[in-house]
Amino acid sequence: GESVGLHLPTLSVQEGDNSIINCAYSNSASDYFIWYKQESGKGPQFIIDIRSNMDKRQGQRVTVLLNKTVKHLSLQIAATQPGDSAVYFCAEGGGSYIPTFGRGTSLIVHP
Amino acid sequence: GAGVSQTPSNKVTEKGKYVELRCDPISGHTALYWYRQSLGQGPEFLIYFQGTGAADDSGLPNDRFFAVRPEGSVSTLKIQRTERGDSAVYLCASSLSSGGAGTGELFFGEGSRLTVL
Repeated sequence: GESVGLHLPTLSVQEGDNSIINCAYSNSASDYFIWYKQESGKGPQFIIDIRSNMDKRQGQRVTVLLNKTVKHLSLQIAATQPGDSAVYFCAEGGGSYIPTFGRGTSLIVHP
Repeated sequence: GAGVSQTPSNKVTEKGKYVELRCDPISGHTALYWYRQSLGQGPEFLIYFQGTGAADDSGLPNDRFFAVRPEGSVSTLKIQRTERGDSAVYLCASSLSSGGAGTGELFFGEGSRLTVL
């Protein structure tokens, strides 16, 4: 089966709310994780990454949290905007850093 | 252009035909990846090049699929005797490097949508 997966296939939020997208992984040896955003008809776009020696990393309006104990990571988007509507993928990178993608969560932001 | 370019953007072919999909990576990027994405799924790894050589082709589903990168820049994904199950969006990505000190950030093209009738 897939080594990376998502709990919720669809997440609907109101504009201005904070969004949390969750992801579980099964390979305890994974040492690198990436979040990608994919808009309709486009390729995935890098958002933020985190290495296994960290448990939190912040970017612009986004925060990734990594819990190695339960093999879980999350992407938090602050003050969600309609432009954030997309499918979000977590990807796991092993030693070769070839990302392995999960199924994705569709984020829908209502104005 | 500044980004990864893929051609054609759409390709419709008949079962049994041969198809080539082209990828122009970002200039200077040594690492190049091919992924395949079916509707409602995440991208599925096919093959990874570091320079001219295929460093990892473990994702190619069978021997009908082949990819080349003869000069370490442009890459072509070749599919022989296409089947209906090959229908998908084929994504290409490039990065400055892979592993070690690299950031691991991949820059994706918009994909080539292949439809096999």
